[in-house]
Amino acid sequence: DVKVTQSSRYLVKRTGEKVFLECVQDMDHENMFWYRQDPGLGLRLIYFSYDVKMKEKGDIPEGYSVSREKKERFSLILESASTNQTSMYLCASQIGSLNTEAFFGQGTRLTVV
Amino acid sequence: GDSVTQMEGPVTLSEEAFLTINCTYTATGYPSLFWYVQYPGEGLQLLLKATKADDKGSNKGFEATYRKETTSFHLEKGSVQVSDSAVYFCALSDRGGGNKLTFGTGTQLKVEL
Repeated sequence: DVKVTQSSRYLVKRTGEKVFLECVQDMDHENMFWYRQDPGLGLRLIYFSYDVKMKEKGDIPEGYSVSREKKERFSLILESASTNQTSMYLCASQIGSLNTEAFFGQGTRLTVV
Repeated sequence: GDSVTQMEGPVTLSEEAFLTINCTYTATGYPSLFWYVQYPGEGLQLLLKATKADDKGSNKGFEATYRKETTSFHLEKGSVQVSDSAVYFCALSDRGGGNKLTFGTGTQLKVEL
């Protein structure tokens, strides 16, 4: 069974902390994505990666960075957390071919206080 | 750039009622179109997809037809159940955009007995 696992369901961090959100997929997928989900805004793409050590900015990359050292793992880093980064974060993975579905993790609800 | 517009919710229906959730899109190329569903407390999962004009995607009694002339991909179900209560997201994947998904804002559906 396909699985995308996010390391935490809930996180509470303080303003200014460096925060790491981890995502692991067990499907040998080439593509991985980080989205944030906010009420009334839907899902917005933060960063994505097509291969190990490759990354591309999405629509809202400011304040975030990513790391993909191994094919199965894609990390989202909040360099200095701020209250406006309080959100639900969703990781997804996808095989590299066109028109294929993306598989999502259960999400991490991050609260920055 | 690419964008997806879907009807705002919440939508509240009685069990066995007919469901339509409207979705229209803007894309520079020839996108593939998707409907994802998010049940409470879970990540997104693919409901159905269509990859070219006039294709009909279907799953679990839900249907949507890719209408290029009206740039639409409306979701329909003839008879909803309480278990269909969820948030529904319309999305597109543009070949020129490297397979990443652009989402609408989501429509919450609540089905009551």
